[in-house]
Amino acid sequence: GQNIDQPTEMTATEGAIVQINCTYQTSGFNGLFWYQQHAGEAPTFLSYNVLDGLEEKGRFSSFLSRSKGYSYLLLKELQMKDSASYLCAVRDSNYQLIWGAGTKLIIKP
Amino acid sequence: IAGITQAPTSQILAAGRRMTLRCTQDMRHNAMYWYRQDLGLGLRLIHYSNTAGTTGKGEVPDGYSVSRANTDDFPLTLASAVPSQTSVYFCASSDGQPTDTQYFGPGTRLTVL
Repeated sequence: GQNIDQPTEMTATEGAIVQINCTYQTSGFNGLFWYQQHAGEAPTFLSYNVLDGLEEKGRFSSFLSRSKGYSYLLLKELQMKDSASYLCAVRDSNYQLIWGAGTKLIIKP
Repeated sequence: IAGITQAPTSQILAAGRRMTLRCTQDMRHNAMYWYRQDLGLGLRLIHYSNTAGTTGKGEVPDGYSVSRANTDDFPLTLASAVPSQTSVYFCASSDGQPTDTQYFGPGTRLTVL
């Protein structure tokens, strides 16, 4: 079967750095996405990786290792507004997105 | 309007009733999707449409139907609602190549009693 694993919940301090991991086992791979979802709102697109390596976008970076079936999202200089759930999704061989259950990130002052 | 809109925002429905959730996008995206999101689970694909006039089944299609008469609209119908269909429903559309990123509407919170 297809599987996306993420930690259920993480806590970090304002101003610090946090890394959210995602491991996947899917039938085929056609890209990995990270989305942010604030409580009661829709998911919003953060990043896309299809090749191995690091993609940097401001305070957020996303890393991919296809051989290890592994990605992480790195959030720097954490702000209170970063409190949200972070969703990892992989596009499989059928070109459908398989979604993880999300990681709820709690930022403390 | 800009982006994707969904209606209603929320609804309480008696079991056995028929319900249509509406979704409209103005981005001229070819592909559209319906997902449900339940606590502790990832988004699950119900139905999708790669282009106007075509639809396909996702991971959890039973009890749901869709139509795609034009590019902009993609309604989801529950023919006879059951309590297990209580969920938050998100409509999405995607922008094609190269990344084919999906963009989401604000969601409909549906409770079936």
